[in-house]
Amino acid sequence: QKEVEQNSGPLSVPEGAIASLNCTYSDRGSQSFFWYRQYSGKSPELIMFIYSNGDKEDGRFTAQLNKASQYVSLLIRDSQPSDSATYLCAVDNTNAGKSTFGDGTTLTVKP
Amino acid sequence: SQTIHQWPATLVQPVGSPLSLECTVEGTSNPNLYWYRQAAGRGLQLLFYSVGIGQISSEVPQNLSASRPQDRQFILSSKKLLLSDSGFYLCAWSGSNQPQHFGDGTRLSIL
Repeated sequence: QKEVEQNSGPLSVPEGAIASLNCTYSDRGSQSFFWYRQYSGKSPELIMFIYSNGDKEDGRFTAQLNKASQYVSLLIRDSQPSDSATYLCAVDNTNAGKSTFGDGTTLTVKP
Repeated sequence: SQTIHQWPATLVQPVGSPLSLECTVEGTSNPNLYWYRQAAGRGLQLLFYSVGIGQISSEVPQNLSASRPQDRQFILSSKKLLLSDSGFYLCAWSGSNQPQHFGDGTRLSIL
């Protein structure tokens, strides 16, 4: 079992729809959770981070964390073609000193 | 503000040649530093990370090595490149228990 698992996709949604990206992790000691967006040929960029159970909203993005279920998700509302990218989930255990990344979910938003 | 510089952007090297990729960070002190490799269409593979000068942790045994000669400088090296070393190399930095921030990456092709 991978430490951080994401649906590989591709995930395709129409423009204006809600895109839902999911991530599960195996280490119950994980304390910090991050979502990165990576456009083709570019480096990852941080779009959201969450440390506590519940929801965290930033513009069209909402990160959701459920530590009991070891589950973190990213919702993108009013999806735009410019949101088409690979989304990477990363999980950080303070004691490990490093993050573990999932393999990413590729999202395509169709006009 | 903090910035990370990584160079070169692209590199074409023959099999068996040496390699040196450099990464520097500005605007912060004692950052955690990371080297990743990403094969085409794949996730991030952590190669090395460092929490301080001279402190290097290796994640994957291979013909690559890393050094941190100064607080904000991280170097990835190889004495003899293999075809399998081709990929997109990413340097990243983070503060303690903070998200990672990536450089623009080096696309390495081995001929």
